Amino acid sequence: DIVMTQSPDSLAVSLGERATINCKSSQSVSYSSNNKNYLAWYQQKPGQPPQLLIYWASTRDSGVPDRFSGSGSGTDFTLTISSLQAEDVAVYYCQQYYSTPYTFGQGTKLEIK
Amino acid sequence: QVQLVQSGAEVKKPGSSVKVSCKAPGGSFSSYAISWVRQAPGEGPEWMGGIIPILGIANSAQKFQGRVTITADESTTTAYMELSSLRSEDTAVYYCAISTHYDYLRGSYRYIGIDYWGQGTLVTVST
Repeated sequence: DIVMTQSPDSLAVSLGERATINCKSSQSVSYSSNNKNYLAWYQQKPGQPPQLLIYWASTRDSGVPDRFSGSGSGTDFTLTISSLQAEDVAVYYCQQYYSTPYTFGQGTKLEIK
Repeated sequence: QVQLVQSGAEVKKPGSSVKVSCKAPGGSFSSYAISWVRQAPGEGPEWMGGIIPILGIANSAQKFQGRVTITADESTTTAYMELSSLRSEDTAVYYCAISTHYDYLRGSYRYIGIDYWGQGTLVTVST
């Protein structure tokens, strides 16, 4: 199984400031034949299921604010929130869909400083 | 928007089985990729397996093989996940979820993210 490791485990950022979450996979989740990265990011608030933010490592899902962006390739990926809003307090997960079982990172808890 | 409605909470004894249902709206149900994902208290999500009804292709994580059965009834647009030989470690919220897109590469289908999630079904395994 591909192991997904996120860093940090928790993060406190001031409102309006940038938040950066990292995700590393134990093997590449990119296919050179189609130049795609099989990596998604999710946001989960208490008592709710995860919500898809980004797929293909950098494509925002419909309705996701443009302050959320994803980058990276191969084994190293980043989720950036450019200007933290109060409603962004949540746990964030990366997930690879390169091979089954699709695996998630352990999560990064984002709080307001 | 795809609304998924799951069956209610269950309390089960160790060694028994549980079957969770997930009702989806009609229309494109058969062409979606349906996943079952569980989340134990305080833990991250764990993908258990999935099915693409229109292709009749189901697969499950090796960890659950032999214990999990994932099916879909196209006539009622309902997906099911049955987990057997339950143990206390299976206590979790179980979600059905849909990927509206998947691709095919090198002999395998891959679900492109998970777009829509059910409300979750709490399964408690306890004596």
